[in-house]
Amino acid sequence: SYELTQPPSVSVSPGQTARITCSGDAMPKEYVYWYQQMSGQAPVLVIYKDSERPSGIPERFSGSRSGTTVTLTISGVQAEDEADYYCQSADSRGTYVVFGGGTKLTVL
Amino acid sequence: QVELQESGPGLVKPSETLSLSCTVSDGSISSYYWSWIRQPPGRGLEWIGYMFYSGISNYNPSLKSRVTISVDTAKNQFSLKLRFVTAADTAVYYCARKGYCSGGTCYSGLNVFDIWSQGTMVTVSS
Repeated sequence: SYELTQPPSVSVSPGQTARITCSGDAMPKEYVYWYQQMSGQAPVLVIYKDSERPSGIPERFSGSRSGTTVTLTISGVQAEDEADYYCQSADSRGTYVVFGGGTKLTVL
Repeated sequence: QVELQESGPGLVKPSETLSLSCTVSDGSISSYYWSWIRQPPGRGLEWIGYMFYSGISNYNPSLKSRVTISVDTAKNQFSLKLRFVTAADTAVYYCARKGYCSGGTCYSGLNVFDIWSQGTMVTVSS
């Protein structure tokens, strides 16, 4: 089965840049999506199609892809950005959806 | 914006069937794929499956033998049935719309979930 790997945790101070990576053994040609999940709440889509930002999502959230790794970057991190972040994609045939294990972002 | 609301029991006995429904607030149920996703306590997200109203569906291979998702266009609802549950099926269950829409443009074919329900906790216990 296809798997996406994320670091369990990332810590940054307010105003710094947080980078959360997501990698797969053979990152498919499928797009990667990112969700923010605050404690006790449903996930919210923050990046779609690798690097597009939905309306209403602050400009400090951005996404990029390089080879078999995609990265969610949060520039000028704010305390309110503390949450769990999940990457998500599908297998190379686009049939089966897969989520990464999630990364807990801590704002020091 | 469309809203999703789950309904169903919060407690299910082991070996029985977990049944949840999700009501779509507008009339768009025939236009998208609809999905179920779950999250065990303290753990990550797990995709269960999705279905189009016509019957086209895909399920997580690890759950496929126990899962059925159905769509009822007359009720604007889609449903999840998970058979032979165990404690490992204890989780928050989310219903979600597959695809992305913004400013009148929709990408229903994308494997993304842009609208989520608030989630409902289901505990498997005797």
